Amino acid sequence: QKEVEQNSGPLSVPEGAIASLNCTYSDRGSQSFFWYRQYSGKSPELIMFIYSNGDKEDGRFTAQLNKASQYVSLLIRDSQPSDSATYLCAVDAGNMLTFGGGTRLMVKP
Amino acid sequence: EPEVTQTPSHQVTQMGQEVILRCVPISNHLYFYWYRQILGQKVEFLVSFYNNEISEKSEIFDDQFSVERPDGSNFTLKIRSTKLEDSAMYFCASTAGWSRSTDTQYFGPGTRLTVL
Repeated sequence: QKEVEQNSGPLSVPEGAIASLNCTYSDRGSQSFFWYRQYSGKSPELIMFIYSNGDKEDGRFTAQLNKASQYVSLLIRDSQPSDSATYLCAVDAGNMLTFGGGTRLMVKP
Repeated sequence: EPEVTQTPSHQVTQMGQEVILRCVPISNHLYFYWYRQILGQKVEFLVSFYNNEISEKSEIFDDQFSVERPDGSNFTLKIRSTKLEDSAMYFCASTAGWSRSTDTQYFGPGTRLTVL
């Protein structure tokens, strides 16, 4: 059974702070890793993807991948109240995505 | 910007009835997917579809489910005899291909299915 685990939160950070979201996965053969944002009652919205070990930056977002530790993280710099949402980690499992349960982020003004 | 569309946004049905959920994937995409999310739970994979046939399906996707691409644009999910536990948000997704540069899945807005 391929598993993707996330702390459900809520993770509460003040506006302007860095939010750090973490994800672990069980399938060592996974190649592609995705972060989606989901607002309540809405569909998952892609934030970014990462394939290679190390960091990948896109604006205020940085994804980090460590395949040896089977660990993916997402850093959000200068967090804004509009970033308040559930962040879903997803791992490719061969022509399908396996999702974690999501971490709820609350950014307080 | 191209996007996946889904209709209806909300479907209410009686237990035992058949429902068809419709999706229009992004036009140049080749792989199509259905996922579901029961309220408060994880997004779960149901089925993937490529070249007019099912590529993968999960344990959830049993004989009461079927998918079809009836024309060049629509992709449908049929639930033959709905159960109370089928109540969920159903998301359609599509991707251009299955390589590192093209495997990003884009999700539609979802159809909320309520079975009474």
